Amino acid sequence: GAVVSQHPSRVICKSGTSVKIECRSLDFQATTMFWYRQFPKQSLMLMATSNEGSKATYEQGVEKDKFLINHASLTLSTLTVTSAHPEDSSFYICSAEDRFGNIQYFGAGTRLSVL
Amino acid sequence: GENVEQHPSTLSVQEGDSAVIKCTYSDSASNYFPWYKQELGKGPQLIIDIRSNVGEKKDQRIAVTLNKTAKHFSLHITETQPEDSAVYFCAAIPTGGGNKLTFGTGTQLKVEL
Repeated sequence: GAVVSQHPSRVICKSGTSVKIECRSLDFQATTMFWYRQFPKQSLMLMATSNEGSKATYEQGVEKDKFLINHASLTLSTLTVTSAHPEDSSFYICSAEDRFGNIQYFGAGTRLSVL
Repeated sequence: GENVEQHPSTLSVQEGDSAVIKCTYSDSASNYFPWYKQELGKGPQLIIDIRSNVGEKKDQRIAVTLNKTAKHFSLHITETQPEDSAVYFCAAIPTGGGNKLTFGTGTQLKVEL
């Protein structure tokens, strides 16, 4: 199956700093990638849809200035959590869409802890 | 928009028994229904999917059935093994939904020895 690499797997940072998370599709091109947030024992919540070469589309209630998304190539999307605060601590997961079958393949997730 | 309900929230079975997880969806235009397995601390892994033009699909010990009229679909795992223990999520993509997945609430499956 298709492989999506997400990095880093875990990050601990101080309050007020920014954190960048990378999502790469390793063996296929993805014009669309998605970013999710997941709280413990809960389902995945879609934050935004990332389209290559254009601005991301954010879900209602998600601050676009807080969660900056860049999709500069067909294999890479990044999520930057700006001025992170403890309430931003969560599990962030990306997915990349196979443009032929509309199937989403997920990365392994990033555990963000803001102190 | 689409709403996906999933039951049960927890399921415990003995090794070798079958496990069934059920989901219902609200948008009759939905046409793609994947199932994901998520192990603790990891991202979801696609295990099987079905499209609206098919009623059933099987892959070894895993099968999915779809009833479009009733708007529900189910995951069937036969001969369960301890390594099947994980959280399983169903999802749906409605037509014209921009390929956004709407997830169910998840089922914690525990396979006991």
